[in-house]
Amino acid sequence: KQEVTQIPAALSVPEGENLVLNCSFTDSAIYNLQWFRQDPGKGLTSLLLIQSSQREQTSGRLNASLDKSSGRSTLYIAASQPGDSATYLCAVYTGGFKTIFGAGTRLFVKA
Amino acid sequence: GAGVSQSPRYKVAKRGQDVALRCDPISGHVSLFWYQQALGQGPEFLTYFQNEAQLDKSGLPSDRFFAERPEGSVSTLKIQRTQQEDSAVYLCASSTLNQGPPFSYNEQFFGPGTRLTVL
Repeated sequence: KQEVTQIPAALSVPEGENLVLNCSFTDSAIYNLQWFRQDPGKGLTSLLLIQSSQREQTSGRLNASLDKSSGRSTLYIAASQPGDSATYLCAVYTGGFKTIFGAGTRLFVKA
Repeated sequence: GAGVSQSPRYKVAKRGQDVALRCDPISGHVSLFWYQQALGQGPEFLTYFQNEAQLDKSGLPSDRFFAERPEGSVSTLKIQRTQQEDSAVYLCASSTLNQGPPFSYNEQFFGPGTRLTVL
């Protein structure tokens, strides 16, 4: 059974700091992994999707990497800003029709 | 191109009432998902539609939960005889299909969710 864990559960950093969010999964046979952000009371906004054949994806200040063999993905955020404050969720798809989500990392960027 | 919309945004129900939650996916998206999100947790899969066919309903918590997508576009999640443990945010997402093989789907786009509170 696929399990997705995100560490840390919460993180507070000063503005301008580079940071890394971690996502680990127990079944390495995944088709894709997606990173989302969720603002309080809102739905999920897709940030990056990494297919199983890819090692990383980049969008602006965000870079996500995927290491299937070790069951890990990281989301790197460069030069963090207060507007980056949100909960960041990773989700893996391992076949069938289900996507399995982690519980998320709550990020607070202090001005 | 509007995104995924859901209605109502908030719903308060008395225990035992039936509720219906609506999802309007992005036009042309074949895949539609329903998720349940408890406070402080990630979304949990409820059910999946490919066009009008419900291909996976393994995540529905009980037979009080029912979902449909009769014309392959709008979907409704219905909860009968609501219980307090049904209180959660219900999220809908849609996506296109990966051409494959293997079968897969592409980036999921989420609606804002419906926050259901059962008193």
